[in-house]
Amino acid sequence: AQSVTQLDSQVPVFEEAPVELRCNYSSSVSVYLFWYVQYPNQGLQLLLKYLSGSTLVKGINGFEAEFNKSQTSFHLRKPSVHISDTAEYFCAVRGPPGGGNKLTFGTGTQLKVEL
Amino acid sequence: ETGVTQSPTHLIKTRGQQVTLRCSSQSGHNTVSWYQQALGQGPQFIFQYYREEENGRGNFPPRFSGLQFPNYSSELNVNALELDDSALYLCASSFGGKINIQYFGAGTRLSVL
Repeated sequence: AQSVTQLDSQVPVFEEAPVELRCNYSSSVSVYLFWYVQYPNQGLQLLLKYLSGSTLVKGINGFEAEFNKSQTSFHLRKPSVHISDTAEYFCAVRGPPGGGNKLTFGTGTQLKVEL
Repeated sequence: ETGVTQSPTHLIKTRGQQVTLRCSSQSGHNTVSWYQQALGQGPQFIFQYYREEENGRGNFPPRFSGLQFPNYSSELNVNALELDDSALYLCASSFGGKINIQYFGAGTRLSVL
């Protein structure tokens, strides 16, 4: 079984500052990793995904994440945030094919960008 | 826009009633997954359907049931509603197969009074 821990429930940051949202996962098998963003009163939008290959993954809206197998982490970063990045961010893990296709989500990190 | 549409957007029911939520998948997708997101929590997997057959289920009681139709649209049915069923219900469609990237709809907000 997989699990996801998002270490920060809330992250306040000033506009144009860098930000890192932390995600650690637990799994005994290889996994696929995802970051989704949820704006108020909306569903989830896929930001980026790690399936295999390069450990640095680039996504939409200037976000990127780095897969670190030894530390079982998949932290999300953005070098300069904008007020429009204010949203809830969810890290999710999925097991390999044949092990079930469900996504296991963390509890989310609320990113609040201030002027 | 993911091309995944859910209806209705909001719903109010009373305890003990039954509810049906609907989901229209993105064109070309043959797999649908349903998730429950309680307030302040991450989404929890309810079940998944692949080509009209249940293909995995999370830790939810049998009063949560589903259907997938030949056009790959889907329904989530919940019987004997309880107060704790109040949540945002999310539908995600995908092509299935090895990668199976899931794309989410905007959800249905269910309030049980």
